Amino acid sequence: QSVLTQPPSASGTPGQRVSISCSGSSSNVGSNSVNWYQQLPGTAPKLLIYINNQRPSGVPDRYSGSKSGTSASLAISGLQSEDEADYYCAAWDDSLKKLLFGGGTKLTVL
Amino acid sequence: EVQLVESGGGLVQPGGSLRLSCAASGFTLNNYWMHWVRQVPGKGLVWVSRINGDGSFTSYADSVKGRFTISTDNVQNTLYLQMNSLRAEDTGVYYCARSLRTAGNVLDIWGQGTMVTVSA
Repeated sequence: QSVLTQPPSASGTPGQRVSISCSGSSSNVGSNSVNWYQQLPGTAPKLLIYINNQRPSGVPDRYSGSKSGTSASLAISGLQSEDEADYYCAAWDDSLKKLLFGGGTKLTVL
Repeated sequence: EVQLVESGGGLVQPGGSLRLSCAASGFTLNNYWMHWVRQVPGKGLVWVSRINGDGSFTSYADSVKGRFTISTDNVQNTLYLQMNSLRAEDTGVYYCARSLRTAGNVLDIWGQGTMVTVSA
């Protein structure tokens, strides 16, 4: 069981807005920035959002991130079929002294 | 083009050893933190280890501490993971990843992964 808790699945129809949550604690999300990774089927993970709400070059502004206290969330607006993927949150944990990943959320576009 | 290419995976018996390599191109390893991340097919991502740019600092997940060693060769511009005393639970796809220069735990470039299977 992951220290960072994500819902195992999420879904939406094309054009909808979906949100994926990531819940942690004071030693990880509460004190460090959160990053989000997208993993398309059969491929390596890709950085999607970093330092809570920053988008790397090339990532559409349909993707956004936020953080409040010990929780973070990833929002995807204008859902498209190519958004169907696994999404992982990640944060450093000051107590465990390791990088933590959430268990991942499988997003299905209906 | 900035790229990471892993190699060295394969089938190994429990108790055996394997050395993974991650060849970097388009950037110089000694300017970045580098990480190894494991993923059992169909499961989530698990952080394994990291090393700083000059190789002076390393850290490991508890599950591999004392058995795995991360290192870099800045002449070859290659990252390594020496894996000893392998166990069935070490099985998975191993990705190397580069961090942002300004944020050592933000993994901005990933390799394609190399599969390690520990089985008798």
